[in-house]
Amino acid sequence: QQQVKQSPQSLIVQKGGISIINCAYENTAFDYFPWYQQFPGKGPALLIAIRPDVSEKKEGRFTISFNKSAKQFSLHIMDSQPGDSATYFCAASKGNDMRFGAGTRLTVKP
Amino acid sequence: DSGVTQTPKHLITATGQRVTLRCSPRSGDLSVYWYQQSLDQGLQFLIQYYNGEERAKGNILERFSAQQFPDLHSELNLSSLELGDSALYFCASSPAGTRTGELFFGEGSRLTVL
Repeated sequence: QQQVKQSPQSLIVQKGGISIINCAYENTAFDYFPWYQQFPGKGPALLIAIRPDVSEKKEGRFTISFNKSAKQFSLHIMDSQPGDSATYFCAASKGNDMRFGAGTRLTVKP
Repeated sequence: DSGVTQTPKHLITATGQRVTLRCSPRSGDLSVYWYQQSLDQGLQFLIQYYNGEERAKGNILERFSAQQFPDLHSELNLSSLELGDSALYFCASSPAGTRTGELFFGEGSRLTVL
């Protein structure tokens, strides 16, 4: 019943590099697309979110790019830091239907 | 700190047993959600309660049940436990009845079934 496909499963980036995580969804009714960040031993926490009326949202080093026609959205982490090492989940939701991607384990090497 | 409290943090039990996981949502949040996260798996939605009533159901097994009490805390009951039930169980809360908005997750309860 997976409706949100996330890639890659794992990602290793050098400090200062750009981390890119991609997600694709199927249900065109989805109208809210959050990204959650999860550190080991912690619960996921909202990082940034976008609604489909905009194509990009930036908060500090984190940017969501949204392509409604392709039903894809991505998270870009600029100037990646070792402290960004975590698991990132994309999600898509409409009302009470929220689907999470399988997660991407990001490792930023110093 | 998300404001969502889950107990216990760790639980080890044997197959066939029954356990109860507890969640206290953020102050004022009416919705409580339960998610299961298995090793290298994403977050699987189990069930949602809103102000004491079941609002949405996901991939929750019949051996599992949940409820939300008048003080808004929630409990997830897992019975006839199997090895495959070993996982992290997260509770999340939100002020609204829908998941279009931020969910606040607790730190999870790690269940190990031996």
